[in-house]
Amino acid sequence: DIQMTQSPSSLSASVGDRVTITCRASENIGNFLNWYQQKHGQAPKLLISHASSWQTGVPSGFSGSGSGTNFTLTISSLQPEDFATYFCQQSYSTPRTFGLGTKVEIK
Amino acid sequence: EVELVESGGGLVQPGGSLRLSCAASGFTFDDYAMHWVRQVPGKGLEWVSSISWNSGSKDYADSVKGRFTISRDNAKNSVYLQMNSLRAEDTALYYCAKDISPYDSSPYDYWGQGTLVTVSS
Repeated sequence: DIQMTQSPSSLSASVGDRVTITCRASENIGNFLNWYQQKHGQAPKLLISHASSWQTGVPSGFSGSGSGTNFTLTISSLQPEDFATYFCQQSYSTPRTFGLGTKVEIK
Repeated sequence: EVELVESGGGLVQPGGSLRLSCAASGFTFDDYAMHWVRQVPGKGLEWVSSISWNSGSKDYADSVKGRFTISRDNAKNSVYLQMNSLRAEDTALYYCAKDISPYDSSPYDYWGQGTLVTVSS
């Protein structure tokens, strides 16, 4: 199975801060990397697919980059509604493994 | 508007069975693969099972293979997860999720709110 390692596991940031979350795959997955946002008590929401493609309705402050084994999710200016947990997922091979998540908290 | 509504969760003893259902609306159901993903509250996400648009392809996580069976009824816009020989480690919130394509390609662009399965004596 492909292991997905996210870092950090949690971070504290202020509104307006630039935030970067990293996801590393245990082997080359090309650009088959997706990012989800999960707010407390809610289902995950797809933000970005194929490493850098926005989903409809996702604010432009979110961006994804990377290929191969190293990927990043960047929030250019953190908004109050962005405080949540973020998961990466590889869709290169089965099982479709997820990272353990990065919890973004208010400083 | 796309909507996925799970049901069928509950408290079951180890070794017991449950059948989860997911009712879909707001999209052409038989154009898309469907998935079950579970999450222990406060923990990470684990893919459980997938089924292609026409049920021709099914796949399972090793942790549930041989115990769980995924199926779908395109006439009823529903996907199911039959769970047998349940174990304590199957305790989780089970989400139904829609694929972006007819086959298991991920990502999952819509998710239900989940149904809680608790396996305990």
